[in-house]
Amino acid sequence: KNEVEQSPQNLTAQEGEFITINCSYSVGISALHWLQQHPGGGIVSLFMLSSGKKKHGRLIATINIQEKHSSLHITASHPRDSAVYICAVRSSSNYQLIWGAGTKLIIKP
Amino acid sequence: DGGITQSPKYLFRKEGQNVTLSCEQNLNHDAMYWYRQDPGQGLRLIYYSQIVNDFQKGDIAEGYSVSREKKESFPLTVTSAQKNPTAFYLCASSEQGGIYGYTFGSGTRLTVV
Repeated sequence: KNEVEQSPQNLTAQEGEFITINCSYSVGISALHWLQQHPGGGIVSLFMLSSGKKKHGRLIATINIQEKHSSLHITASHPRDSAVYICAVRSSSNYQLIWGAGTKLIIKP
Repeated sequence: DGGITQSPKYLFRKEGQNVTLSCEQNLNHDAMYWYRQDPGQGLRLIYYSQIVNDFQKGDIAEGYSVSREKKESFPLTVTSAQKNPTAFYLCASSEQGGIYGYTFGSGTRLTVV
């Protein structure tokens, strides 16, 4: 079983819909990252969380440390949000990143 | 603007040849990392370096080599010993082991022909 699991693997939605991507992990962590990867391949860091909730524009990230679960929400989704969204956790034992496999999001106009 | 530069973006290599991927950062970050990405899988750590002239193997170091002679540069060599080198390679850097987050390059897609 992977230490970081994301769901769904693929998500297609219509423009304007509210999007939720989930991440569950099974290891002790010092922080959780949400990242975005566009078709060109480069990765951009969206959020780094250790507790609670963060918001940036239409993106919201939450984490529940007790349940070892995080969600990334996108409000009023737009075709330019189409990308792969990746969850990664920073292990509290060796401080390395453990990566989820990513969620491929397609927003149709 | 500070950031990480990876070059080239696309690279083709004949079987049996070594190839070196470049990664340069001007963020004054101490730590640098190389990851490999395969379709449908999470990124996997190849090598990392926390300080100049020192580096550590990651989870999949076999068939790869690195050097860290300068703080700004962390080149990755894919040797002929790497059995399945076709993949997407990402370089990253961080301050103090990543407690303030990470910066990523745009990646190099290596294809063995």
